[in-house]
Amino acid sequence: DAGVIQSPRHEVTEMGQEVTLRCKPISGHNSLFWYRQTMMRGLELLIYFNNNVPIDDSGMPEDRFSAKMPNASFSTLKIQPSEPRDSAVYFCASSLVGSAYNEQFFGPGTRLTVL
Amino acid sequence: AQSVTQPDIHITVSEGASLELRCNYSYGATPYLFWYVQSPGQGLQLLLKYFSGDTLVQGIKGFEAEFKRSQSSFNLRKPSVHWSDAAEYFCAVISGTYKYIFGTGTRLKVLA
Repeated sequence: DAGVIQSPRHEVTEMGQEVTLRCKPISGHNSLFWYRQTMMRGLELLIYFNNNVPIDDSGMPEDRFSAKMPNASFSTLKIQPSEPRDSAVYFCASSLVGSAYNEQFFGPGTRLTVL
Repeated sequence: AQSVTQPDIHITVSEGASLELRCNYSYGATPYLFWYVQSPGQGLQLLLKYFSGDTLVQGIKGFEAEFKRSQSSFNLRKPSVHWSDAAEYFCAVISGTYKYIFGTGTRLKVLA
């Protein structure tokens, strides 16, 4: 079991550029989550997909952020245009919602730095 | 509203000493509770979880946690800390069917 896979692990970009973060959930999981972690705000849920459909995007900070899940094995989080305040660690997690535990499995994260 | 409070931002213990990390929750129904650990530069790894039954839950790496409904607490314990336990620890409760509410974390430092 490879676990949740995220790429890239580190991204450094300049303000105004487009950034795309990628996630491959654990095979068989029906739910995917994108989180952002900062010192100031801790762990924030950005968006939740169930069966590839966005269910809760109330945590997406603004229109510059968008997320897609075209199939059960792939999701992207895009920031366009990026700003310095977007610098954070972005985590993807997957889960089998509806199982006995609803436990979330986290990827290693992508550390984003916007200059 | 549901919430999770970890009152200690930082804790320092000596290697071999016992450890207790505090977690208090606010949740109307029977909570599903979790403890995760995050090592530097890594993602979150599940240590243990509580859903029902025995209020003392055993986890990985020698950790355990006790659910106390009367105190709305789910404190994490380890009898003897190892230097490799230095990390950040997060308590979480599930709100509804999927939404985790995380505490702000406790950063553990272990002295040799």
